[in-house]
Amino acid sequence: QKEVEQDPGPLSVPEGAIVSLNCTYSNSAFQYFMWYRQYSRKGPELLMYTYSSGNKEDGRFTAQVDKSSKYISLFIRDSQPSDSATYLCAMRGRSQGAQKLVFGQGTRLTINP
Amino acid sequence: DTGVSQNPRHKITKRGQNVTFRCDPISEHNRLYWYRQTLGQGPEFLTYFQNEAQLEKSRLLSDRFSAERPKGSFSTLEIQRTEQGDSAMYLCASSRPGTENTEAFFGQGTRLTVV
Repeated sequence: QKEVEQDPGPLSVPEGAIVSLNCTYSNSAFQYFMWYRQYSRKGPELLMYTYSSGNKEDGRFTAQVDKSSKYISLFIRDSQPSDSATYLCAMRGRSQGAQKLVFGQGTRLTINP
Repeated sequence: DTGVSQNPRHKITKRGQNVTFRCDPISEHNRLYWYRQTLGQGPEFLTYFQNEAQLEKSRLLSDRFSAERPKGSFSTLEIQRTEQGDSAMYLCASSRPGTENTEAFFGQGTRLTVV
């Protein structure tokens, strides 16, 4: 079983819809949680960064972390065609020996005009 | 440009040849990471430097792979005797020192095709 599980999709929704992307994980040492957006043949771009449990909002994007359930989510409101990309969740621990990011498989999202 | 820079962007090589990639991190970022990403998968960790010290290596990094970061600035990743299974996107990322607010920023990657 992988440390981080993410539904690969593909997920296709109409423009303006609310999108929910999710990841589950098994390593309770993970403390930092990130969402990256990756366009085709490009490097991942950091979208959101959250420490421990709770919510964080940035414009149309909201990240949620529930450490008790080992479950993280990214919500996209008023989705736009330009949001079409692969979304990767990533996480890591806090200690000096846990600096590497562990990624999910990525969810491929298409927003239809 | 103040982002992470990777060169070359694309590399096509014949099986058995050696290849070397370069990564220039964001200025003042003392941590530098190499990841590998295959089609339809998330990036997988290969190795990580803090300044010039290589602190962690994945078991994915076979003895054909070597990474260096002389003087704690740019880094190189060399693959010797390339195999078709080495075909992937090789990503470099950098982050600031400390344990807080150390989110990693990625370069555009080097896409390797072994024929």
